[in-house]
Amino acid sequence: QSALTQPPSASGSPGQSVAISCTGTSSDVGTSNYVSWYQQHPGKAPRLMIYDVDKRPSGVPDRFSGSKSGNTASLTVSGLQAEDEADYYCSSFTGSKNRVFGGGTKLTVL
Amino acid sequence: EVQLVESGGGLVQSGGSLRLSCVASGFTFSDYFMEWVRQVPGKGLEWVGLIRKKGDSYTTEYAASVKGRFTISRDDSKNSLFLQMTSLKAEDTAVYYCGRDNYYKYDCWGQGTLVTVSS
Repeated sequence: QSALTQPPSASGSPGQSVAISCTGTSSDVGTSNYVSWYQQHPGKAPRLMIYDVDKRPSGVPDRFSGSKSGNTASLTVSGLQAEDEADYYCSSFTGSKNRVFGGGTKLTVL
Repeated sequence: EVQLVESGGGLVQSGGSLRLSCVASGFTFSDYFMEWVRQVPGKGLEWVGLIRKKGDSYTTEYAASVKGRFTISRDDSKNSLFLQMTSLKAEDTAVYYCGRDNYYKYDCWGQGTLVTVSS
């Protein structure tokens, strides 16, 4: 199972919005309602930010949102804040009962 | 507080074996699928495998990269998850995380344990 494709980097100024894409195939993202996004700060464990494509766990700011179109899912961070600077990973359930992660995107707040 | 704590990492020679443990607290461990995810230092996350709960016969799934070498098991009476790793290779060097699979989302992660395979 190949990793999902994410851009290696993204950036934005405080207050701006930035979108991170996650492209898979019709065997994973394209047919899965179980796409999730994780935030990881250096030296820390990942944190769930979005699940089931567009749902937010309690405690996650509503500045974070998720969507999906075809084989591509997206995470949008609105009103960027300094603490949003981190690595972000998407994940999807696959048709072969496995899970797969994206390669990760380093978000820089300028 | 929902918590997962891994242990058992360390330095092992290529071809060797190692057993990782993950102890859960703060939730009913037996109600959840549990999974292992690894991360090469400075690189991305890689799914390793999962074990389902008793009602699903404790069945397992593995990534192609570890299938046949790694075995996931659990002891619900001890709220514990295990990863038995054999025939270790240099490319298995990574931080290994255990994660709670709450209907296809990892809503709880351990702090990770580092496995270093020397060649």
